[in-house]
Amino acid sequence: DVKVTQSSRYLVKRTGEKVFLECVQDMDHENMFWYRQDPGLGLRLIYFSYDVKMKEKGDIPEGYSVSREKKERFSLILESASTNQTSMYLCASTLAGGKDEQFFGPGTRLTVL
Amino acid sequence: SQKIEQNSEALNIQEGKTATLTCNYTNYSPAYLQWYRQDPGRGPVFLLLIRENEKEKRKERLKVTFDTTLKQSLFHITASQPADSATYLCALDEDGNQFYFGTGTSLTVIP
Repeated sequence: DVKVTQSSRYLVKRTGEKVFLECVQDMDHENMFWYRQDPGLGLRLIYFSYDVKMKEKGDIPEGYSVSREKKERFSLILESASTNQTSMYLCASTLAGGKDEQFFGPGTRLTVL
Repeated sequence: SQKIEQNSEALNIQEGKTATLTCNYTNYSPAYLQWYRQDPGRGPVFLLLIRENEKEKRKERLKVTFDTTLKQSLFHITASQPADSATYLCALDEDGNQFYFGTGTSLTVIP
């Protein structure tokens, strides 16, 4: 059974902390994505990666960075967490491009106090 | 600006009826359109993909239509069941690299 896992389901951090969200997929997928989901705004793409060590900005990259050192792992980093980054964070992967379904992880509910 | 709009209101229907959800878009020329189901507290799950040159796609009780002239996709669930209650998301791919998602429609099927 194919799987995308995320390191935490729930996370509470303080303003100014550095936050790491980890995502691992076991499907040998090329593309990986980080989204945030907020009520009324839907899923918004933060960053995506189509290969190891490659990354592309999505629609809302400000305040975030990413790392993809291995094909199966894609990390999202909040350099200095702020309260407006409180959200549901979802990781996804696809085999290749837009014609392929995205497999999503269970999500991380991040609260920044 | 680019926009993807889904039924803004939640949809409530009686069990056994057909649910119809809409996805309208502007300023996109998608090659593919996908529909996902999302349950509370979980990640979306892929349901169906339709290509720009396809008018209709079916999978069991699900049917998707894609009208590139109207810039609209319709998602139908026939013989709806309470277990179909969820939020349904449409997503467009334009450039082959990433998807743009609508805000979703919440569907409740009443027994």
